[in-house]
Amino acid sequence: QKEVEQNSGPLSVPEGAIASLNCTYSDRGSQSFFWYRQYSGKSPELIMSIYSNGDKEDGRFTAQLNKASQYVSLLIRDSQPSDSATYLCAVPNTGGFKTIFGAGTRLFVKA
Amino acid sequence: EAGVTQSPTHLIKTRGQQATLRCSPISGHTSVYWYQQALGLGLQFLLWYDEGEERNRGNFPPRFSGRQFPNYSSELNVNALELEDSALYLCASSFFGGATDTQYFGPGTRLTVL
Repeated sequence: QKEVEQNSGPLSVPEGAIASLNCTYSDRGSQSFFWYRQYSGKSPELIMSIYSNGDKEDGRFTAQLNKASQYVSLLIRDSQPSDSATYLCAVPNTGGFKTIFGAGTRLFVKA
Repeated sequence: EAGVTQSPTHLIKTRGQQATLRCSPISGHTSVYWYQQALGLGLQFLLWYDEGEERNRGNFPPRFSGRQFPNYSSELNVNALELEDSALYLCASSFFGGATDTQYFGPGTRLTVL
């Protein structure tokens, strides 16, 4: 089992729809979780961080965390073509000595 | 506030040569992390420096090394370059030491080994 697992996609959604991106992790001791967006040829940029079970909303983005199920997700409401990118789930291991990144999910938003 | 900066943007080397990549963290950040992202692959953790010390390294051979200077900038050295070292090398910094803190990435250095 990979330490941080994401569907590679591509995930294709029409403009204005909700895009749902999922991530599972294996380290039960992980306490913080991050979502990054990476455009092709560019570096990752932080979208959201989440530390507690439940939902965290920031504009069109909502992160959801369920530590019991070792599952974190990112919802993008009213998806725009500019949201087309690879979304990386990042999970620091127990003790925070390194961050494990998922392979990323490619999202395409069709105009 | 200036973000994380990296130099050079692109670097072309031949097999067996050495490459040196540089990173300046966000002002006030003391931790610097290095990652390798080979084409089509995810980010692989290379090294973590905090307060001038190497705190952790990923599963890379010893020819990948680095250091952190008193001003918290950092250098990544790759010796005896191999073709498979061709990748985007990303530097990130954080305010607090440890991966639980938010990491902010620089633009990266694209290393090509011929």
